[in-house]
Amino acid sequence: QKEVEQDPGPLSVPEGAIVSLNCTYSNSAFQYFMWYRQYSRKGPELLMYTYSSGNKEDGRFTAQVDKSSKYISLFIRDSQPSDSATYLCAMIGTNTGFQKLVFGTGTRLLVSP
Amino acid sequence: DTAVSQTPKYLVTQMGNDKSIKCEQNLGHDTMYWYKQDSKKFLKIMFSYNNKELIINETVPNRFSPKSPDKAHLNLHINSLELGDSAVYFCASSQQRGQPQHFGDGTRLSIL
Repeated sequence: QKEVEQDPGPLSVPEGAIVSLNCTYSNSAFQYFMWYRQYSRKGPELLMYTYSSGNKEDGRFTAQVDKSSKYISLFIRDSQPSDSATYLCAMIGTNTGFQKLVFGTGTRLLVSP
Repeated sequence: DTAVSQTPKYLVTQMGNDKSIKCEQNLGHDTMYWYKQDSKKFLKIMFSYNNKELIINETVPNRFSPKSPDKAHLNLHINSLELGDSAVYFCASSQQRGQPQHFGDGTRLSIL
């Protein structure tokens, strides 16, 4: 079993839809959680960085962490064609002294005009 | 002004050759990393350096040797390239361990 599970998609939605992207993890040592966006032929770009359980909002993006369920989500409101990319969750924790970022496999999102 | 820059962007070479990839960050970060992204887009850490000191070596063949001349640079040298080395290699940096990591745009390595 992988440490971090993420549905690879693709997830296709129409412009303006609310998108929900999710990851589950197995190791309770993970403490910090991140979401990255990766466009084709580009490096991952940090979108959200959270620590505690609960919600964190930044513009159209909301990151949600539920440590008790070992489940994290990224919501995108009013999705745009420019949001079409691969979204990677990543996490880091005490098991590696906060040295090693572990990624999900990424979910490919397609937003059609 | 690029924060994390890698050169070259593309590298096409023959099996058995030796090649190097360079990485520089202008963010003033203490920690730098090398990741490998395979054909299925899975990102896996290879190495981590903190202030020029090797912190993580993630069971990478010893044909791969990272070198950090100063904390703003982390280069990756690969000896005797094999077909399975074909991938995209990403450099990243963070202020400290546990802090968000910022990535370069990758070096696409293709072995013929």
